[in-house]
Amino acid sequence: QVRLVESGGGLVKPGGSLRLSCGASGLTFNKYYMSWIRQAPGKGLEWVAFMSETGRTIYYADSVKGRFTISRDDADSSLFLDMNSLRAEDTALYYCASFFQGLDGGHLDYWGQGTLVSVSS
Amino acid sequence: EIVLTQTPGTLSLSPGETATLSCRASQNIRSSYLNWYQQRPGQAPRLIIIGASNRATGIPDRFSGRGSGTDFTLTISKVEPEDSGVYYCQQYGFSPSIIFGQGTRLEIK
Repeated sequence: QVRLVESGGGLVKPGGSLRLSCGASGLTFNKYYMSWIRQAPGKGLEWVAFMSETGRTIYYADSVKGRFTISRDDADSSLFLDMNSLRAEDTALYYCASFFQGLDGGHLDYWGQGTLVSVSS
Repeated sequence: EIVLTQTPGTLSLSPGETATLSCRASQNIRSSYLNWYQQRPGQAPRLIIIGASNRATGIPDRFSGRGSGTDFTLTISKVEPEDSGVYYCQQYGFSPSIIFGQGTRLEIK
């Protein structure tokens, strides 16, 4: 059974930093692309960042580019999101999700339960 | 950048009725790159349809998807109370990035 567990969320002041972690079990982590998706309170889903299984391909949403950094530790089956220069609009529930990259298409097949980030003074 | 527009915003049905949810893309996209997710209240999203028309593992056959080009549809036949939630279409491939529609809320009366 696949399990993704996020941690590291909390309350931080504008301009501050936070590191989110996602621990994975039940899947061959080093074969999977991984992604972070966020959901502001009462709003829809917003893709944040995406990393290939090798780590060589990384993409970010324009809204976080230059402020957030995605990384992974395959030895520990962990995904990370380093968030700097946080803004009020970054307040959201952050989900970790595995991304199945097929020959023709791809989808987010497993999701964690999320960790809440609140940016407020 | 591709925009996915979902209609209606909210759909309110009685048990046993059929739900028809629409997802329209601002430009042609490959069907294989269009997926649907269900998010029940208080839960994480769950993958339900892959590549426009293929049910994900464990998804009942009441759920079906179709479409091509710019117009895609998720149909839920004989809706049940457990189908309540928000449904999102999602596209992958251009930019490259992952793009979500704004969601359709399904309420079962």
